[in-house]
Amino acid sequence: ETGVTQTPRHLVMGMTNKKSLKCEQHLGHNAMYWYKQSAKKPLELMFVYSLEERVENNSVPSRFSPECPNSSHLFLHLHTLQPEDSALYLCASSQGWADNYGYTFGSGTRLTVV
Amino acid sequence: GQQVMQIPQYQHVQEGEDFTTYCNSSTTLSNIQWYKQRPGGHPVFLIQLVKSGEVKKQKRLTFQFGEAKKNSSLHITATQTTDVGTYFCAGPLAGGGADGLTFGKGTHLIIQP
Repeated sequence: ETGVTQTPRHLVMGMTNKKSLKCEQHLGHNAMYWYKQSAKKPLELMFVYSLEERVENNSVPSRFSPECPNSSHLFLHLHTLQPEDSALYLCASSQGWADNYGYTFGSGTRLTVV
Repeated sequence: GQQVMQIPQYQHVQEGEDFTTYCNSSTTLSNIQWYKQRPGGHPVFLIQLVKSGEVKKQKRLTFQFGEAKKNSSLHITATQTTDVGTYFCAGPLAGGGADGLTFGKGTHLIIQP
């Protein structure tokens, strides 16, 4: 248990479905992140939230929609995804929004789009 | 945009041999971080280097940050089967601050007993 909990661990969804990924951290961290990890690609930053305010979306397609209702919870809402969106989606948190803090990652959600 | 390059992509070693992975950035970094991801797992933070020329050790692991703060290395002495995994370096994006970390593609360490 890392202190960052992601649910579900695995998700299979059709291209017309709508689903949400959930992330919760119990570390008192102020910044949270969504990363995408695909085979043969580096970890790709998708979204950054600092004190519940989004500060970076990194040109992510609109079919991915983040939500951060408070500093402990982060969601990634998914709709009309494509098969190439199949990947491991990792949530991370850090103590502050500055870049001088190590990230604590959750175990990830393995997403398969069929 | 800013990139973080890692070599080699894969490294096969016999158990007990040493292992080194190298990380290079296209721009000067304020700091560099190293993570380990076990097969089927998630990245776990190992260490952060901040100062030019900094060297830090964790048991059999030695981390270095280059004088120009554009390159770094991780060296493992006498590898063990528990060292298997992918080692990533990561640095802050050009904007710094809340822009998040840019990760290298990682070096996959495979150990043959």
